Amino acid sequence: GIQVEQSPPDLILQEGANSTLRCNFSDSVNNLQWFHQNPWGQLINLFYIPSGTKQNGRLSATTVATERYSLLYISSSQTTDSGVYFCAVEGDNFNKFYFGSGTKLNVKP
Amino acid sequence: KAGVTQTPRYLIKTRGQQVTLSCSPISGHRSVSWYQQTPGQGLQFLFEYFSETQRNKGNFPGRFSGRQFSNSRSEMNVSTLELGDSALYLCASTTTGHNSDTQYFGPGTRLTVL
Repeated sequence: GIQVEQSPPDLILQEGANSTLRCNFSDSVNNLQWFHQNPWGQLINLFYIPSGTKQNGRLSATTVATERYSLLYISSSQTTDSGVYFCAVEGDNFNKFYFGSGTKLNVKP
Repeated sequence: KAGVTQTPRYLIKTRGQQVTLSCSPISGHRSVSWYQQTPGQGLQFLFEYFSETQRNKGNFPGRFSGRQFSNSRSEMNVSTLELGDSALYLCASTTTGHNSDTQYFGPGTRLTVL
């Protein structure tokens, strides 16, 4: 299957700081999504971004498919941004997603 | 529009028992996928159903099975439970199941095997 590596594994920020999370993948993908998992386990879709750049408020993401990586930017972080961020990719098999191990973000007030 | 729902939310079983988990997708969604999340292995794909047919299966033993009904609701079953089956089981639904779809996840069922 497709290997997905996320970095850093852990990140501690002061409220208001900016951060960049990275996702590397080992093969070409048809779909890439970023998720945020809250402390109760709920996974929330942030971006569907197999290529290009998207922005949603303080969050933005860029995927460079030819170089097999994606970046998630968080600006002006807030304590509610805390949680685990996952990158998930899909190859040729419909809806068979491979998840990275996540980046655990802790934003301190 | 209601989100993906999963029942039950919490479950405690003992080794050797079997368990059935349920997932109701977002209305109009026809594809349902199941994932297992554990601290050691992370999020792993179990299987995916579309229009009552299993299209994809992950690398799990035959004790893990699933099905989908005509209303797109899905169930997964784990037989002969082992301690290692303790995990958060998540289901996700998408509209057509094409690879341009966004996945929407349910809140999960937390299974504890004693």
